[in-house]
Amino acid sequence: QVQLVESGGGVVQPGRSLRLSCAASGFTFSTYGMHWVRQAPGKGLEWVAVIPFDGSNQYYADSVKGRFTISRDNSKNTLYLQMNSLNPEDTAVYYCAKGDYYDNSGIEYLQDWGQGTLVTVSS
Amino acid sequence: DIQMTQSPSSLSASVGDRVTITCRASQSIANYLNWYQHKPGTVPKLLIYAASHLRSGVPSRFSGSGSGTEFTLTISGLQPEDFATYYCQHILRTPFTFGQGTSVEIK
Repeated sequence: QVQLVESGGGVVQPGRSLRLSCAASGFTFSTYGMHWVRQAPGKGLEWVAVIPFDGSNQYYADSVKGRFTISRDNSKNTLYLQMNSLNPEDTAVYYCAKGDYYDNSGIEYLQDWGQGTLVTVSS
Repeated sequence: DIQMTQSPSSLSASVGDRVTITCRASQSIANYLNWYQHKPGTVPKLLIYAASHLRSGVPSRFSGSGSGTEFTLTISGLQPEDFATYYCQHILRTPFTFGQGTSVEIK
């Protein structure tokens, strides 16, 4: 079955960087788009970024654009999120999720999620 | 960017009640709308995709409807395990914004 396992979270000082990883198994990773979604303490879900199956493009939420970079290594079945210039507002549980499509409609949905990794930005 | 607004932000209901949550998009998104359930300490769970399609394995008491800018999630006969926060998300074009969430609490 599909497994997504995030790692790399932790406590980091404001202004520093952190790289999250999401190890995928149970499906052909190289044929699916992948997303990062986060949830800050006491807040709702926030979509962060998406990368298509071949890594040809990257798209971001306005709140992280220019600071975060989503990437993937299809040879390692791994998704990444490089987070630079972190600030306390980036404190959240970060989830990776697999994008599935409804037939050929172009309508994507997130059916499989990792357990999440907690990032705390604090001095 | 497309903004998603859910109402109400929270509601109290009893087991067996019919519950309706509304999600409005700031512009037309056709049926590019998904619904998720999220309980504390767990992973978000997809309930409905493409506005009205029930994910396999999700109880039939959950249903979704709507198109364009207004959508609803209905729970017909609330069960104890349904107390959670529900989110809509548009998937028309990036950024794929979530609504702010609707917390369904026990009355």
